[in-house]
Amino acid sequence: GAVVSQHPSWVICKSGTSVKIECRSLDFQATTMFWYRQFPKQSLMLMATSNEGSKATYEQGVEKDKFLINHASLTLSTLTVTSAHPEDSSFYICSATETGAYEQYFGPGTRLTVT
Amino acid sequence: AQSVAQPEDQVNVAEGNPLTVKCTYSVSGNPYLFWYVQYPNRGLQFLLKYITGDNLVKGSYGFEAEFNKSQTSFHLKKPSALVSDSALYFCAVRPSYGQNFVFGPGTRLSVLP
Repeated sequence: GAVVSQHPSWVICKSGTSVKIECRSLDFQATTMFWYRQFPKQSLMLMATSNEGSKATYEQGVEKDKFLINHASLTLSTLTVTSAHPEDSSFYICSATETGAYEQYFGPGTRLTVT
Repeated sequence: AQSVAQPEDQVNVAEGNPLTVKCTYSVSGNPYLFWYVQYPNRGLQFLLKYITGDNLVKGSYGFEAEFNKSQTSFHLKKPSALVSDSALYFCAVRPSYGQNFVFGPGTRLSVLP
């Protein structure tokens, strides 16, 4: 149980284009979803938190117009990197929690490379 | 400020020997504590958690962790390490139920055959 999937697992895009990453909870309803960014050999940096049907709450320093987050249903959240630049290249990981649970369940991550 | 420390960037242990990965935290109140493991190019896998009760918690793959409130520590342990345990380990703290996780910097464990 408590499986979270991400799609795609890796993506290469050209500078200036937009990329959408999907995060799905497969066997539970995710009341809250989180998006993290991880740089090589570093810990996770929380980008934003989203609740189903509500606007995402972005962490300080994260550009909300660049990283668009939509939590349209209890099983799906999307992160769209708009007008991507090479510095946006990173490993993006989503996680989800369900009502009453203490732990977060993480997706397998998406490797984004912007050329 | 709330923080989680993992004082060792790297831990090396021989296969079959016991392993310990250390974690200390600076969070007020009674936080919830977690350990996650990350294999290369993968997301984090949940290992175990401490919410309340017995200070020694057992988790997946033979791992356990001991909560020590006076030392604000939550060290991860395993009696006999396997080469397949080699990975990146993250300690995380949730200050209260409604708050977000605070992650430690990670400790890379290498189990040598």
